[in-house]
Amino acid sequence: DIVMTQAPLSVSVTPGESASISCRSSKSLLHSNGITYVYWYLQKPGKSPQLLIYRMSDLASGVPDRFSGSGSETDFTLKISRVEAEDVGIYYCGQLLENPNTFGAGTKLEL
Amino acid sequence: QVTLKESGPGMLQPSKTLSLTCSFSGFSLNTSGMVVNWFRQPSGKSLEWLAAIDWDGDKYYNPSLKSRLTFSKDTSNTQVFLKITSVDIADTATYYCARRLRGSGFDYWGQGVMVTVSS
Repeated sequence: DIVMTQAPLSVSVTPGESASISCRSSKSLLHSNGITYVYWYLQKPGKSPQLLIYRMSDLASGVPDRFSGSGSETDFTLKISRVEAEDVGIYYCGQLLENPNTFGAGTKLEL
Repeated sequence: QVTLKESGPGMLQPSKTLSLTCSFSGFSLNTSGMVVNWFRQPSGKSLEWLAAIDWDGDKYYNPSLKSRLTFSKDTSNTQVFLKITSVDIADTATYYCARRLRGSGFDYWGQGVMVTVSS
């Protein structure tokens, strides 16, 4: 299985400032079709996960452009600009390159 | 409007079979590239992908649980079902279903159903 390792486990941010979350995969997530199959999700307290970023850098529908994704074949970053109170929750990276699809342990963002 | 909703027994005893239903609307499982998935999340832990069924009826299982999982769908393609045999306390979790269209990620999730395995 592809292991997804996130850092840090938790991050505390002042509203209005930026935050970055890192994710590393145990195998390249770059497919021969040129797509990098890494995804970012936010799970707000008591809620289901919601998709933020797909294919490493594409913003999901309805997601504010304060969120952005970047990376290489195995190292990925989610950046949140101008953090707001509604951004609180646990952020997960995940991969869709291979089955089983796997997720990182999560990064808890607090204000 | 795309919606998914999970249902299940809430609580069951060890060694029993867990039966879960995901009822969905607003999209068709017959759409090329469409996949409906099951996940679970023990309290305070990360997500675990369990199984998937695609528009062709092909099924995919997490190898770690494959021998205990059965995924099926109804003929109207508005419900999918997951059975997990011989449940143990370790199967206590919130179970989610979610859809994926090709490589676009799991973009719609159900609200989740909490399942407790206890004697």
